[in-house]
Amino acid sequence: DAGVIQSPRHEVTEMGQEVTLRCKPISGHDYLFWYRQTMMRGLELLIYFNNNVPIDDSGMPEDRFSAKMPNASFSTLKIQPSEPRDSAVYFCASRKDRVGVETQYFGPGTRLLVL
Amino acid sequence: AQSVTQLGSHVSVSEGALVLLRCNYSSSVPPYLFWYVQYPNQGLQLLLKYTSAATLVKGINGFEAEFKKSETSFHLTKPSAHMSDAAEYFCAVTVSGNYQLIWGAGTKLIIKP
Repeated sequence: DAGVIQSPRHEVTEMGQEVTLRCKPISGHDYLFWYRQTMMRGLELLIYFNNNVPIDDSGMPEDRFSAKMPNASFSTLKIQPSEPRDSAVYFCASRKDRVGVETQYFGPGTRLLVL
Repeated sequence: AQSVTQLGSHVSVSEGALVLLRCNYSSSVPPYLFWYVQYPNQGLQLLLKYTSAATLVKGINGFEAEFKKSETSFHLTKPSAHMSDAAEYFCAVTVSGNYQLIWGAGTKLIIKP
């Protein structure tokens, strides 16, 4: 299995521009999570989906952030307009929906720098 | 609600020495506990997890952790540190029926030659 795939791996953009981050979860996984990691705030859960439906988006910082999951194999996190304080590493993770404690598998992350 | 506290944002040990990374949790119901490792410029990778079976859990790369309910702890240990263990380690907690993980702040492990 290829694992969770994220693209791009690095993104440098200017303030005000739209940024789209992409994630392909592991095939057969029912849950998808978007995280943000910064030095100041650590690892934060932004939103998660179950069977392509957003379940909890309470971690999304503000309306500039939006996430979609049009099908089981693809999700996007969009920031519009971007601001310097959005600079962070964004991770996508996925897991199966089974009884018991399933592991979350993380992608390699997208390192975003907003100038 | 659950919470996790990792004591020490940085831990430095000599190569070959014992590694001890501390994690304490708070949960009103039986918890499930995880340790993840993050190598530089990579995503998080599961080291081990406690799921209410054996209290001593063995993971990858020679790491193990012991669940101690009386101390609400789940400390991570390795008998002998290798240079390749240098990374950031995260403790996380969840409970049955909850699909979110509550994360600790992370501990950066530094290995001295």
